[in-house]
Amino acid sequence: QQQVKQSPQSLIVQKGGISIINCAYENTAFDYFPWYQQFPGKGPALLIAIRPDVSEKKEGRFTISFNKSAKQFSLHIMDSQPGDSATYFCAASSMDSSYKLIFGSGTRLLVRP
Amino acid sequence: GAGVSQTPSNKVTEKGKYVELRCDPISGHTALYWYRQSLGQGPEFLIYFQGTGAADDSGLPNDRFFAVRPEGSVSTLKIQRTERGDSAVYLCASSSIQGTEAFFGQGTRLTVV
Repeated sequence: QQQVKQSPQSLIVQKGGISIINCAYENTAFDYFPWYQQFPGKGPALLIAIRPDVSEKKEGRFTISFNKSAKQFSLHIMDSQPGDSATYFCAASSMDSSYKLIFGSGTRLLVRP
Repeated sequence: GAGVSQTPSNKVTEKGKYVELRCDPISGHTALYWYRQSLGQGPEFLIYFQGTGAADDSGLPNDRFFAVRPEGSVSTLKIQRTERGDSAVYLCASSSIQGTEAFFGQGTRLTVV
């Protein structure tokens, strides 16, 4: 019930295209859903996060769509750029679990020039 | 400091040896988390500190792993009798208030030979 399932495992997008990464969770106690970006040899960096009281959050080219009834959320990267090539992790946490992050397995994104 | 600092960046040790990994969180952050990331996988929770106390150590894999945070700032993750299976990147994260943005360090890559 603690698992967060992420897909796809890898994604190739042309420059200017839209990258879409999906995650699903089971634990309805989760109340915080962040997305992290990780470059090789670096730690994860927070991109954008959402709480379940809203269905969408947009920051620049990054948008989270959240479907509480389906227990799914997704990251959309608009106008994808080669510099966006990295591994993306969704995560979930809850106040009653110390807000420890449960991560998905990651999506390796490659944006071709 | 400006960000979460972890030392050393890389550590190679022989099987059976003892190692200490250090995390210096963002100044003023009371919450500190340790995670472990194996190659090609998402980070996995190890332990959470709120102030000086370990509030949640449910992710520690066995009693060879121990962590301290004696003054509520710097934390040390200690691994006794290291095994080859302990090889991974150990990540530290801190946040100012439980549940808000967690900032990760660059990690310590531990290799047990």
